[in-house]
Amino acid sequence: GAVVSQHPSRVICKSGTSVKIECRSLDFQATTMFWYRQFPKQSLMLMATSNEGSKATYEQGVEKDKFLINHASLTLSTLTVTSAHPEDSSFYICSARGDSLNEKLFFGSGTQLSVL
Amino acid sequence: DAKTTQPPSMDCAEGRAANLPCNHSTISGNEYVYWYRQIHSQGPQYIIHGLKNNETNEMASLIITEDRKSSTLILPHATLRDTAVYYCIVRALNTGGFKTIFGAGTRLFVKA
Repeated sequence: GAVVSQHPSRVICKSGTSVKIECRSLDFQATTMFWYRQFPKQSLMLMATSNEGSKATYEQGVEKDKFLINHASLTLSTLTVTSAHPEDSSFYICSARGDSLNEKLFFGSGTQLSVL
Repeated sequence: DAKTTQPPSMDCAEGRAANLPCNHSTISGNEYVYWYRQIHSQGPQYIIHGLKNNETNEMASLIITEDRKSSTLILPHATLRDTAVYYCIVRALNTGGFKTIFGAGTRLFVKA
């Protein structure tokens, strides 16, 4: 199956700093990428949808100025958590889809963010 | 997208079949049934999907009732590595921006 690479897998940062998470589709062109966050023992919560070359669409309650998403190419999307605080500590997961019909979503391995 | 209902947890003995049910009574005619699983601290993994016919691949089988209001994911010979949270999702292919919304899922424990 297709491969989605997410980096870093784990990051620890101080409160107030910004953290960038990268999501790459390695063997297909990702027309759309999705960003999720997941708290312990909870399900995945969709944060935003990003289409290559256009602004991301954020879900209700997700601050777009807090979680900056850039999808500059068909193989790369980035999520930047700006001015991170301890409550932003979470597991962040990206996923990507190609253009073929009947497609499945492919997920990255996730990034565990811990804000001290 | 239609809502799904799954039991919160299930146990299965290693080597036996694991049958995970999912109710999706409000499914629309153009919505597919997808199954993903998430092993602890990893991203979700695609398992299988179908529209109305039963499907089988190297990982699992998907049985969809004739009225499409429910389905069952079958892992024919569960192993300890199949311990994970299993998510049943219904989604149309070309509506809603292709968003995939996850419910609570079923936590499957495979025991030796």
